[in-house]
Amino acid sequence: GQQVMQIPQYQHVQEGEDFTTYCNSSTTLSNIQWYKQRPGGHPVFLIQLVKSGEVKKQKRLTFQFGEAKKNSSLHITATQTTDVGTYFCAWGISSGSARQLTFGSGTQLTVLP
Amino acid sequence: DGGITQSPKYLFRKEGQNVTLSCEQNLNHDAMYWYRQDPGQGLRLIYYSQIVNDFQKGDIAEGYSVSREKKESFPLTVTSAQKNPTAFYLCASSMGMGNSPLHFGNGTRLTVT
Repeated sequence: GQQVMQIPQYQHVQEGEDFTTYCNSSTTLSNIQWYKQRPGGHPVFLIQLVKSGEVKKQKRLTFQFGEAKKNSSLHITATQTTDVGTYFCAWGISSGSARQLTFGSGTQLTVLP
Repeated sequence: DGGITQSPKYLFRKEGQNVTLSCEQNLNHDAMYWYRQDPGQGLRLIYYSQIVNDFQKGDIAEGYSVSREKKESFPLTVTSAQKNPTAFYLCASSMGMGNSPLHFGNGTRLTVT
């Protein structure tokens, strides 16, 4: 079956340092989505990647989808305390006529001031 | 403002009691979902519904039941058969079941003692 690993599970950085989380799949993904969940909050959609080799930027956040569509990363440049939270990747799997969204285990980011 | 409303935010129940979690959306979304989140873990799909009067089991449906009598509402019942019901429950909706991003409610934290 399809297996997607999200690493690292935890990351502590000093404010101003960069941060990267990765999702690595054993099979080709049709697309991948990224979500952020603040402590005590709910996941919020950040972005969706669909094309091979796609790179998208949102201010200090850079999202990449690998050429083989098996890997994706989220990179934050010069972290701020507002970046604290857990970042999840999510991918669709077909189930009958529907596509379920499955979430990775998440990377919990702590930013030390 | 359009959004998803989950109530209550915190819920306490005694073991052996059934409990129903409310989820209402005014986004006019066709698809709705229930996820469960345990501390430090990702989201696991309990049930989903593509259209009114239709719903499907997710990965961890045992001990749960749902109904979808109205497009706006997708209540989740945690039955006494659920062995470890204490968790954070998140309701979500999306335009469709394809690659549409999920919009989440604020969640209900259920504690069963």
